[in-house]
Amino acid sequence: KAGVTQTPRYLIKTRGQQVTLSCSPISGHRSVSWYQQTPGQGLQFLFEYFSETQRNKGNFPGRFSGRQFSNSRSEMNVSTLELGDSALYLCASSKDSEQFFGPGTRLTVL
Amino acid sequence: DAKTTQPPSMDCAEGRAANLPCNHSTISGNEYVYWYRQIHSQGPQYIIHGLKNNETNEMASLIITEDRKSSTLILPHATLRDTAVYYCIVRVGVNNQGGKLIFGQGTELSVKP
Repeated sequence: KAGVTQTPRYLIKTRGQQVTLSCSPISGHRSVSWYQQTPGQGLQFLFEYFSETQRNKGNFPGRFSGRQFSNSRSEMNVSTLELGDSALYLCASSKDSEQFFGPGTRLTVL
Repeated sequence: DAKTTQPPSMDCAEGRAANLPCNHSTISGNEYVYWYRQIHSQGPQYIIHGLKNNETNEMASLIITEDRKSSTLILPHATLRDTAVYYCIVRVGVNNQGGKLIFGQGTELSVKP
């Protein structure tokens, strides 16, 4: 069974630009969560989507947004990028009690 | 903030058992204890979870104290591939589906030959 996939794997942007990251969950999983990982702050929860609705939200500014499609695939968007947004962005899908993480998208903001 | 406290680092000799402690003194009655690990630059990997009984699977054993204020993850025969950051997480969720994971700083386990 295929795991969680994320695209792109690496991305370089400049300050002020916006970016869209994509996550395809494991087949049959309806919950998709997003996390940001930086050396300074560690792994931080961004938001969770379930059946196309945001079910949980972390403490991030409104520049960070997401959505989920009817096939459970999810995207997250970051607008007006800042240098501090450079991070590994991880997506996780779940059906029951376990969350399965993808390999992440490494975003570098210059 | 994370509801767990873990030592920042530990060493273990290859082939020996690795015992990773975690304190979660404010855990609620319906919250589970989850363990994940993250090998460098990869996504976290689920290991095991439990509510109040001890649990064992092919990867590890989880021992939860009777008062549920602490737990220990046991890797019975550590290998070099077990070198990773191990996260102990108290799970907030809805009907145990999805939900958000609040990660602490974890324990960096180094398995040495």
